[in-house]
Amino acid sequence: GQQVQQSPASLVLQEGENAELQCNFSTSLNSMQWFYQRPGGSLVSLFYNPSGTKHSGRLTSTTVIKERRSSLHISSSQTTDSGTYLCALATGGNNKLTFGQGTVLSVIP
Amino acid sequence: DMKVTQMPRYLIKRMGENVLLECGQDMSHETMYWYRQDPGLGLQLIYISYDVDSNSEGDIPKGYRVSRKKREHFSLILDSAKTNQTSVYFCASSLRYFGPGTRLTVL
Repeated sequence: GQQVQQSPASLVLQEGENAELQCNFSTSLNSMQWFYQRPGGSLVSLFYNPSGTKHSGRLTSTTVIKERRSSLHISSSQTTDSGTYLCALATGGNNKLTFGQGTVLSVIP
Repeated sequence: DMKVTQMPRYLIKRMGENVLLECGQDMSHETMYWYRQDPGLGLQLIYISYDVDSNSEGDIPKGYRVSRKKREHFSLILDSAKTNQTSVYFCASSLRYFGPGTRLTVL
């Protein structure tokens, strides 16, 4: 079965609203990352977060390993936050990343 | 400045032609990766390189090979390209730094 599941698949927000993106995983992990991808663009690492909570500006990532889940919270969304958010697990000894299918976020003015 | 570069950025080839995609990094990372990204399939790992001449198949290696003769440089080679290899290819250096991607179209 799929090791990494993200929800929701897509999300539309009014500018200023908050967003909560979820990532659930079915295996033990070495690390969890959140990436941002603008349409047609590359991946930018937002958080490298094996466990606990990390903050970066309006973004907060929380990973609870024993519950096999991670979340990305975006507060006071802006139109420039639009794009795809991907979570990825590194598992095993070879540091291979397994990606979720992503959440496509659209923030409208 | 930590950077991953990819060349070319866009490429159109005919079926059966050979394709060379190149990736460079300036961070002296030992581990580098090649992925492809397709709509509905997400990012899939093609090959991993743990250092010079130390490469390992990823999840979808068929139809591809790689070369790493210098730590800062990792190449993806398609011998006799197929139309189903049309995709966007990303190189990554360590787990965190991705290149800008190469959009390959095989006609």
